[in-house]
Amino acid sequence: AQSVTQLGSHVSVSEGALVLLRCNYSSSVPPYLFWYVQYPNQGLQLLLKYTSAATLVKGINGFEAEFKKSETSFHLTKPSAHMSDAAEYFCAVSDVDTGRRALTFGSGTRLQVQP
Amino acid sequence: DAGVIQSPRHEVTEMGQEVTLRCKPISGHNSLFWYRQTMMRGLELLIYFNNNVPIDDSGMPEDRFSAKMPNASFSTLKIQPSEPRDSAVYFCASSLGQGLNEQFFGPGTRLTVL
Repeated sequence: AQSVTQLGSHVSVSEGALVLLRCNYSSSVPPYLFWYVQYPNQGLQLLLKYTSAATLVKGINGFEAEFKKSETSFHLTKPSAHMSDAAEYFCAVSDVDTGRRALTFGSGTRLQVQP
Repeated sequence: DAGVIQSPRHEVTEMGQEVTLRCKPISGHNSLFWYRQTMMRGLELLIYFNNNVPIDDSGMPEDRFSAKMPNASFSTLKIQPSEPRDSAVYFCASSLGQGLNEQFFGPGTRLTVL
């Protein structure tokens, strides 16, 4: 069964600094991968997704992620953090090789942005 | 587009009571997902439907939980009887397809069982 591991339940950066949120996946075949963001008291919103096309995926709000098969990683980055980026971020995987195609989510990483 | 609609937004009930959570997916979407989010267990898939048919209910905790989708525009998640450990935020999401496409999440229902 596929799974994702998010390293670091909390990440704190200064405004303007690089954001790096880590996600590693475990899957028998290259999966589809997603990053979602959850703002306080809201549902999840898709940031970006990888579906076996380009390995560097650009999403909304200046975020991007790179699929690295050799490292089984799909880390999320943003060159310059903004205060409005403070939220919880979830990596998710959908295994294309099985009949069960619902998403499996990681445990989440809470991003704090310091002024 | 109104997005995924969930009701109620907040529910406080006493142990043993029946709780019904409701979801209206985005019009035209044919897959619907129920998730539960807690601090201890994170975001868990409970059940998902495709074309109103339950495809995978392996995440449903126990027989106290049941879900229905009588038509393409409505789904319910029922807990009977409710217990304090059921306290969580329950999310409904919908998508076009079975998970390979973006899932659109509702705002969630925060359930507190006293």
